[in-house]
Amino acid sequence: DSGVTQTPKHLITATGQRVTLRCSPRSGDLSVYWYQQSLDQGLQFLIQYYNGEERAKGNILERFSAQQFPDLHSELNLSSLELGDSALYFCASSAGTLGANVLTFGAGSRLTVL
Amino acid sequence: AQKITQTQPGMFVQEKEAVTLDCTYDTSDQSYGLFWYKQPSSGEMIFLIYQGSYDEQNATEGRYSLNFQKARKSANLVISASQLGDSAMYFCAMRAPAGNTGKLIFGQGTTLQVKP
Repeated sequence: DSGVTQTPKHLITATGQRVTLRCSPRSGDLSVYWYQQSLDQGLQFLIQYYNGEERAKGNILERFSAQQFPDLHSELNLSSLELGDSALYFCASSAGTLGANVLTFGAGSRLTVL
Repeated sequence: AQKITQTQPGMFVQEKEAVTLDCTYDTSDQSYGLFWYKQPSSGEMIFLIYQGSYDEQNATEGRYSLNFQKARKSANLVISASQLGDSAMYFCAMRAPAGNTGKLIFGQGTTLQVKP
């Protein structure tokens, strides 16, 4: 157990639907990162929050949004889902953002869009 | 722009032998960090080893070592005495401090299969 908790582990939904993925970071970690892993795109950075504020944005679609709450858990909202959104979505956390601060990953949420 | 390149999509190694997984990177920053992660078939991402750009010694963690050649911009992972449990996908990643974000940029990964 990495200490980063992601729910749900698996999710199957239909095109056009909206889903929410949840992440609880490791205790004490202030930074949360979301990544998307698909076969053709590899591991793509989506977005990062640090202590409740957005710190960096990557290749995140406008249909996707995220936030980090005061208790530091984070949610990734995916709307108007398309077949191509099927992927493994990882949340990771770290204590800081510099140097050797390691990203600790959750087990991932596997999204299947039918 | 920062980029990580892993040119070996798949590798085979005999059990108990050593194997080197290649990673080259591109950045204009002088200060950066390099990471290797392992992703077994179960899917989780496991941190293996870290090398800072100013570290003079190559990083080692148990059977893992990082062959860091700064001038060549390479950060190859060496796994000694391979075990069957080492069969997995391996990702090289880089953090550069620009913007103080902490995010990692990942390569495409190398799948390693250890033969008994």
